[in-house]
Amino acid sequence: AQSVTQLDSQVPVFEEAPVELRCNYSSSVSVYLFWYVQYPNQGLQLLLKYLSGSTLVKGINGFEAEFNKSQTSFHLRKPSVHISDTAEYFCAVKEQTGNQFYFGTGTSLTVIP
Amino acid sequence: DVKVTQSSRYLVKRTGEKVFLECVQDMDHENMFWYRQDPGLGLRLIYFSYDVKMKEKGDIPEGYSVSREKKERFSLILESASTNQTSMYLCASSPGMSGSLTGELFFGEGSRLTVL
Repeated sequence: AQSVTQLDSQVPVFEEAPVELRCNYSSSVSVYLFWYVQYPNQGLQLLLKYLSGSTLVKGINGFEAEFNKSQTSFHLRKPSVHISDTAEYFCAVKEQTGNQFYFGTGTSLTVIP
Repeated sequence: DVKVTQSSRYLVKRTGEKVFLECVQDMDHENMFWYRQDPGLGLRLIYFSYDVKMKEKGDIPEGYSVSREKKERFSLILESASTNQTSMYLCASSPGMSGSLTGELFFGEGSRLTVL
């Protein structure tokens, strides 16, 4: 089974400041990587995904993530956050040959006015 | 627009009651999943199904069962609810490998269950 680690459970950041949410995974096999966002009292929405090719992936709402195979990381970044980015963010991994997704424990991003 | 619909957003049940959580998807997806979400623990897979009448245990199946009689519907059943099953339950679906390279997940809005 995969292990997905989101080191920061809570990240407070001031509005318009940059943010990075960290994600590391354990797999030694080829994987697909995802970031999902969950707004209060809602389900999860896909923010972005890495399948193959360029290691820098751009998603919705100005977010991007960089895949680093040697460090088995997939960190999420945004250069300037908005109040509306306050949410829970989940990193997920799926082996290319499997059906199961493995989720991290989530990072709660709070944007401070 | 693609949609995964969970029948109840909020439920309150008593210990020992039988609880049904229903999930319907309109995307003709082969795979359907039930997750449980708790603070600090993230999402934990309860059961998943890759075809009608097929099911596989996830990481925490104890105390739960599932039913998939039709492709679009996946039900989670708590035979005898207990207080430690108070949680947010999330249903998701994904296309099979024939329909999508990645099989990414599409989630419902969640069902918050409180067991008293």
